[in-house]
Amino acid sequence: AAGVIQSPRHLIKEKRETATLKCYPIPRHDTVYWYQQGPGQDPQFLISFYEKMQSDKGSIPDRFSAQQFSDYHSELNMSSLELGDSALYFCASTFGQGGYEQYFGPGTRLTVT
Amino acid sequence: GIQVEQSPPDLILQEGANSTLRCNFSDSVNNLQWFHQNPWGQLINLFYIPSGTKQNGRLSATTVATERYSLLYISSSQTTDSGVYFCAALNQAGTALIFGKGTTLSVSS
Repeated sequence: AAGVIQSPRHLIKEKRETATLKCYPIPRHDTVYWYQQGPGQDPQFLISFYEKMQSDKGSIPDRFSAQQFSDYHSELNMSSLELGDSALYFCASTFGQGGYEQYFGPGTRLTVT
Repeated sequence: GIQVEQSPPDLILQEGANSTLRCNFSDSVNNLQWFHQNPWGQLINLFYIPSGTKQNGRLSATTVATERYSLLYISSSQTTDSGVYFCAALNQAGTALIFGKGTTLSVSS
């Protein structure tokens, strides 16, 4: 079965640079979530989209922005990168809003030097 | 917002032992999921279990929604079971999963 695809899998950037993370949900899934997991931490919710509209926002810095496109893939744009942005970034997808199971991608490991 | 607490924070087992991991949540939930994060960082879906009991091989889970807790049972543990186990509950708005701090399981041979 098709899974959530994230690219790139690994990314190394320098401070103050920008990064773009991409997420391709499971076919026919219309809801996408982004989570950030720092070293030794639990995943923290950043932002979610349903039918290409932002549905909720968590602890996402103003330097980050995201959107969901017409084909339902999503991109997380991160600017003015800081050392503290080094983390594992997960994308998850599901169908519809509410209590449906979320399926997670393999994550993008971002290292900021 | 909803609070999710997991216990114990750490668990060390010998291969073949059984274990029970607990997840308490502060409010009623429409979605409760268990994940295993392997040493490579991947989050593996174990169970989607807002209520009731499910089994998958050596793993099983039970959620008692009225009492706001869920249990994950691991029987005959293997070294490959090592890693972090997360419980996550959907927030009231239905827009985000809230994770517990996790239980780190180490199984030695």
